[in-house]
Amino acid sequence: QITLKESGPTLVKPTQTLTLTCTFSGFSLSTSGVGVGWIRQPPGKALEWLALIYWNDDKRYSPSLKSRLTITKDTSKNQVVLTMTNMDPVDTATYYCAHRRWLLDTGYSYFDYWGQGTLVTVSS
Amino acid sequence: DIQMTQSPSSLSASVGDRVTITCRASQSISSYLNWYQQKPGKAPKLLIYAASSLQSGVPSRFSGSGSGTDFTLTISSLQPEDFATYYCQQSYSTLWVTFGQGTKLEIK
Repeated sequence: QITLKESGPTLVKPTQTLTLTCTFSGFSLSTSGVGVGWIRQPPGKALEWLALIYWNDDKRYSPSLKSRLTITKDTSKNQVVLTMTNMDPVDTATYYCAHRRWLLDTGYSYFDYWGQGTLVTVSS
Repeated sequence: DIQMTQSPSSLSASVGDRVTITCRASQSISSYLNWYQQKPGKAPKLLIYAASSLQSGVPSRFSGSGSGTDFTLTISSLQPEDFATYYCQQSYSTLWVTFGQGTKLEIK
């Protein structure tokens, strides 16, 4: 059974750096075709993809946020960490991590398991 | 980058109705298209991957079709639990992921 859970601060001040941890179970991030992604959703708005990290340590970032994001993994701890610098009130959102399955034979990929999300508010 | 546009943005329908939601990509994405359902306060749930493959455990009243730039999600007979927001997402690009802006399905 695959589960993921996000953790981190619920409130950050403008200009601060946000660090979120995704702790997962039921899969290994050293298995071919596996990745973990971060997606956020401002209140009442659409989903926005932020970053992805794969089993081979390949990393992908949203072009619009790339300069502010860093994603890393700790395979031994079953954790993925996302840092976002220079936080602003517009970054207030629920942040989700999700299991990314990549079917290597066909190239299809999708987020098939999601964490419950964590609401981060940016305010002074 | 690849833009995903859903229509309509919102939709009112009744239990038992057949409903279709459309997603259009700004360039051809073959069949690299996924659909998710999200209920208020909950994480998204994968419904369809590879444009038409039903995720395990998802009711068969959900179906997906399309390829290239135009895709549809169809619910054959709406059930009360289907009222939610639906998102498409392209997985064609190996560089980034893009979601559509969502379609809110409401009870008429």
